[in-house]
Amino acid sequence: GAVVSQHPSWVICKSGTSVKIECRSLDFQATTMFWYRQFPKQSLMLMATSNEGSKATYEQGVEKDKFLINHASLTLSTLTVTSAHPEDSSFYICSTNQGDQPQHFGDGTRLSIL
Amino acid sequence: AQSVTQLGSHVSVSEGALVLLRCNYSSSVPPYLFWYVQYPNQGLQLLLKYTSAATLVKGINGFEAEFKKSETSFHLTKPSAHMSDAAEYFCAVTRSGSARQLTFGSGTQLTVLP
Repeated sequence: GAVVSQHPSWVICKSGTSVKIECRSLDFQATTMFWYRQFPKQSLMLMATSNEGSKATYEQGVEKDKFLINHASLTLSTLTVTSAHPEDSSFYICSTNQGDQPQHFGDGTRLSIL
Repeated sequence: AQSVTQLGSHVSVSEGALVLLRCNYSSSVPPYLFWYVQYPNQGLQLLLKYTSAATLVKGINGFEAEFKKSETSFHLTKPSAHMSDAAEYFCAVTRSGSARQLTFGSGTQLTVLP
């Protein structure tokens, strides 16, 4: 069964809206989760590392005020795209792992901003 | 810094033919290498991983990959392609200093022809 649950799987909203995406670790406590962004026909690009109980670490070029990450519990990290615009339309994927085991990925969220 | 290069953004094979997807890595430290598969609008599923044990790694769905240090390669193969193998394949390497943050290649779209 799924190890990581990501919700919603698809969201369409108007420009200027804020959108929250949830990533849940179902089988273990996840102190760290990763958020990726994938444009059509392209690879995954790491956006940020979400750390339970502390601030997220953002990759260079990723606006932390635009992409708010909250990791308030050991099983849940959320990514909020604030004041979304069409250029934010993308496929967002989260992942986590346990110890040195490989990453488990969520099924992704397709975000479309009109 | 670590990186992976996937040669060929698109590969087409006939059903029953050999599948060969190429991945070359660059790493200043012994790498951990992974192959993931992605079906449309889904997250990534781990096919196999190399973690400095056996150089020939067997994964799920009949796939395997061989780590060749002299060639800095980690090519993915399957003896006989099946229609269900059609998907996007990503090679990934762990980032320097971390066993969990992944750097992905650009991906290879595999098409299986009847």
